Amino acid sequence: QKEVEQNSGPLSVPEGAIASLNCTYSDRGSQSFFWYRQYSGKSPELIMSIYSNGDKEDGRFTAQLNKASQYVSLLIRDSQPSDSATYLCAVNTGFQKLVFGTGTRLLVSP
Amino acid sequence: GAVVSQHPSWVICKSGTSVKIECRSLDFQATTMFWYRQFPKQSLMLMATSNEGSKATYEQGVEKDKFLINHASLTLSTLTVTSAHPEDSSFYICSASGGGQTDTQYFGPGTRLTVL
Repeated sequence: QKEVEQNSGPLSVPEGAIASLNCTYSDRGSQSFFWYRQYSGKSPELIMSIYSNGDKEDGRFTAQLNKASQYVSLLIRDSQPSDSATYLCAVNTGFQKLVFGTGTRLLVSP
Repeated sequence: GAVVSQHPSWVICKSGTSVKIECRSLDFQATTMFWYRQFPKQSLMLMATSNEGSKATYEQGVEKDKFLINHASLTLSTLTVTSAHPEDSSFYICSASGGGQTDTQYFGPGTRLTVL
């Protein structure tokens, strides 16, 4: 069973703080990793992808990948109330499909 | 870039009728399209994967005769829910991959189906 695990939350952070979202995966052969944001009642929106160990930054977002530990994280700097959403970690385990975690709900309070 | 549209955005139908949902990639050629279903407060559930010109591959437990998928071109896939029943009421979302990043999925806005 190929799994992707996320803490369901909610993760509560004050406005301006750094939000740290974590994800672990079970398939050691996974090659590509994605973070999606999903607002309530809406479809997922791609935030970023990461393929290599280390950090990848895009604006206020930084994705971190550690394949040895089978761990992916997403840092959101200067969190805003508009960042309040569910964040989905997804892993490509081959065969074109993504395996999604159940998501972490983030609440950013003003 | 990488825009995916879905139509309709919501639909209400009577039990026993069929409903067709369209998914289009607007600015890239989608070699693969995916159909998901999401119930309230639950995660995405992959229903099927379709490649242009090929029969769809359905996930275990998804009835292929009930959920008909057609991927006739590189920009269009359709999902038809046949003989819909109230338990089919859900949020149906398509995604598409293709172009430069073939493993990245871009999601459509979703279709909310309510079966009375």
